[in-house]
Formats: sequence, structure tokens, C-alpha cells
Amino acid sequence: TAGITQAPTSQILAAGRSMTLRCTQDMRHNAMYWYRQDLGLGLRLIHYSNTAGTTGKGEVPDGYSVSRANTDDFPLTLASAVPSQTSVYFCASSEAGEHQPQHFGDGTRLSIL
Amino acid sequence: GQNIDQPTEMTATEGAIVQINCTYQTSGFNGLFWYQQHAGEAPTFLSYNVLDGLEEKGRFSSFLSRSKGYSYLLLKELQMKDSASYLCAVRDGDYKLSFGAGTTVTVRA
Repeated sequence: TAGITQAPTSQILAAGRSMTLRCTQDMRHNAMYWYRQDLGLGLRLIHYSNTAGTTGKGEVPDGYSVSRANTDDFPLTLASAVPSQTSVYFCASSEAGEHQPQHFGDGTRLSIL
Repeated sequence: GQNIDQPTEMTATEGAIVQINCTYQTSGFNGLFWYQQHAGEAPTFLSYNVLDGLEEKGRFSSFLSRSKGYSYLLLKELQMKDSASYLCAVRDGDYKLSFGAGTTVTVRA
């Protein structure tokens, strides 16, 4: 089934360690996004990429980095994890066009201890 | 920054109608989306409005008034499976989505 795959599903990580969350889509969407979802705050955009080779900062980019080497993959890296980065992380993608909705992966539940 | 407000929780009876309101103040406007999110799952797309008026999709309808910065999602003939969070999201002038915190709807038998 076509869609977005995120890995891992969940992870417990010690503070100070680095971690890369993986996101792959097979829909050939140009745009991809990373969000974090925290209780009471909703989804907040971390980083985005409108097309392969380009990335941009969202609302809460500090402590995170991304790369977009090709159309399908959009990994999110935490260089040195802190407890405030405990959250559920969702990757999404969309086709070009104003009316096109974003399609979400199943999320990665990350706990930083 | 963007400001998107929706009620935190709503409860309704199976078979009834529920209306979830969303008000927004954003820098630019390029459309409003509604998503459904069941607990522990990914958000899924429900509806899109960019022009004023009502869009109907089966039991779900969404309304937009751009001049008032207001939208609502109407859920008719509620079923138990409609218990979920409903997210209002506005595409701003930079074409990025800003989400409200979500409204948790509980459907009771």
C-alpha cells in the first residue's frame, strides 16, 4: 500500500545522545514535513522541504536538522537530545498545489530521559 | 504568529449532530483543512475550504467565512467510530500549515 513509512515506531533515548528519525514516502510527493505533537499544543512544524535538495525552518526548528537528498526520504536528526524533545513526531508529504492535503505517517513516539 | 482556536472537548450522543468551531488569525490565508485523528494514530484528511461557503462530504460538512476568520466542521448522524480529535489547520501566506490544538469529540451511546 502506498504511503509514508516512519521508523522507529517508538524509542527511549538518553539525554545527550543523537538520534535520526526516518521517513520514506512512495507517492512521489515533492513536499515533505516534520511535525511534533504535544498535548494541548497541537501539531507544530519543525522543518519542511518543498522539493529534493531544499529545506526550510518551521515554527520550532531549534535542536533539529533535516536533509532531502532525494524525493522519497526526509530524515530528522536530533544532534544532542534533551528531555523537552520528548514528543510524538509525525512526518507528512503532499503534492504541489494549494488544495492538496498533507498525508501523515503513523508517527514516532520519542521519550528522552 | 498564527492563532487558531477551537474548543478542547465536546460530547454528543450517537445519532446526533455536533458542530466544531474554529476561529483563526493568520498572516495570509490560502485555505483551511480539517483532519480527523483517532487516539494513537495519524491525522487523516477530511475536508478543504478556500472559498466562502459550505462543502459537503457525506455525513461531514465544513463551512468557511474568510471575512470572519471562522470555520466549522459539522458531523451528522454521529457514530461511535467518530470519537476522535478533530484538527483545524490554516495554510498561511507562506503556504505552510498551522494547526489548532484539536477538539476531542466523545460520542456516547
